[in-house]
Amino acid sequence: NAGVTQTPKFRILKIGQSMTLQCAQDMNHNYMYWYRQDPGMGLKLIYYSVGAGITDKGEVPNGYNVSRSTTEDFPLRLELAAPSQTSVYFCASSYLAASSYEQYFGPGTRLTVT
Amino acid sequence: GEDVEQSLFLSVREGDSSVINCTYTDSSSTYLYWYKQEPGAGLQLLTYIFSNMDMKQDQRLTVLLNKKDKHLSLRIADTQTGDSAIYFCAEFPNTGNQFYFGTGTSLTVIP
Repeated sequence: NAGVTQTPKFRILKIGQSMTLQCAQDMNHNYMYWYRQDPGMGLKLIYYSVGAGITDKGEVPNGYNVSRSTTEDFPLRLELAAPSQTSVYFCASSYLAASSYEQYFGPGTRLTVT
Repeated sequence: GEDVEQSLFLSVREGDSSVINCTYTDSSSTYLYWYKQEPGAGLQLLTYIFSNMDMKQDQRLTVLLNKKDKHLSLRIADTQTGDSAIYFCAEFPNTGNQFYFGTGTSLTVIP
């Protein structure tokens, strides 16, 4: 199993540009999550999905969109990038029928908006 | 949202024990977790504890849970330089679908 994969690893965007951060998992997990991590701020949940076709907002959804057309993929879309979106983005997945609800994390995407 | 709090920094000497503390807010949380993040990497689960337990030991790691005070701690025995990382505690309340993470404690091990 590859686990949770994210692409790209790094990206620099200009203000106002758009991009999609890709996330895929091959563990047949039902739940998937997008977080952003800012220095000293821990992880903030952007969006999550409890299964294909179902998404919900987390704590900081403004400026982002998601879709979940398949169990495996959960892309995060940034429209009109702003400097405040400079951060490290992590995708995670978990299987909530499992005994521990453990989350598996991808390696992250480091995004800079200038 | 839930408020999970940790101190930001901890330094220990190699060979000593490290204790990282966390307070959480939702008493309904069934599971409480400790994750480790090494530089430039994602988070990896270290250990977790069920809310009906007071203590869990796993090799050099000991987790203590005080439900009355909503306090969770992680003790690392014989701390090594490879333990230098950021450690996050997290809770998963029964009432929702989200995990709530603390701000992370940056552990520095001095040789």
